[in-house]
Amino acid sequence: ETGVTQTPRHLVMGMTNKKSLKCEQHLGHNAMYWYKQSAKKPLELMFVYNFKEQTENNSVPSRFSPECPNSSHLFLHLHTLQPEDSALYLCASSQDLNIQNGYTFGSGTRLTVV
Amino acid sequence: AQSVTQLDSQVPVFEEAPVELRCNYSSSVSVYLFWYVQYPNQGLQLLLKYLSGSTLVKGINGFEAEFNKSQTSFHLRKPSVHISDTAEYFCAVSDTGTASKLTFGTGTRLQVTL
Repeated sequence: ETGVTQTPRHLVMGMTNKKSLKCEQHLGHNAMYWYKQSAKKPLELMFVYNFKEQTENNSVPSRFSPECPNSSHLFLHLHTLQPEDSALYLCASSQDLNIQNGYTFGSGTRLTVV
Repeated sequence: AQSVTQLDSQVPVFEEAPVELRCNYSSSVSVYLFWYVQYPNQGLQLLLKYLSGSTLVKGINGFEAEFNKSQTSFHLRKPSVHISDTAEYFCAVSDTGTASKLTFGTGTRLQVTL
């Protein structure tokens, strides 16, 4: 267990469904991140939150909607996804936006859009 | 903006043999450099990092990496690998100025066999 917990571990959803991914950390970190990991591609940063405020949206389509109610929880709400959105979605946290200590990653949610 | 190149998508090696995983980066400013490992069905785990000082950095599990500014490289090495080292390895870079996000390479699959 890394200190960052993601649920569910696997998710299969249809293109018309609405689902949410959850990320929780009890490390006392203030910054949280969503990354998308697709085969043979670099990890893609999607969103950055610092002290619950969104500081970066990396041109992510609106069918992905993040929510950060507090510094310990981060959600990714999904609706009307496309098959190309199938990927491993990784959540990470860090003490703050200073990267010197690196990120702590969760185990990810494997999403399959059918 | 920074970029990371991991030229080897796969590296097969026999157990107890040495290994080097290559990483080259591109940046117009000073950088922090990281290596992460991802075991099957898990998130990314920090192996080691270079922030400043000694160019030879030692990490967990017997891995080390050397920062070479003139060659803009940060290659990862281990003198004797084990079956348990089979995993995906990611190199990442962040500039020291903003230092707020990591840019990852596409990863190198290390396959250790008997």
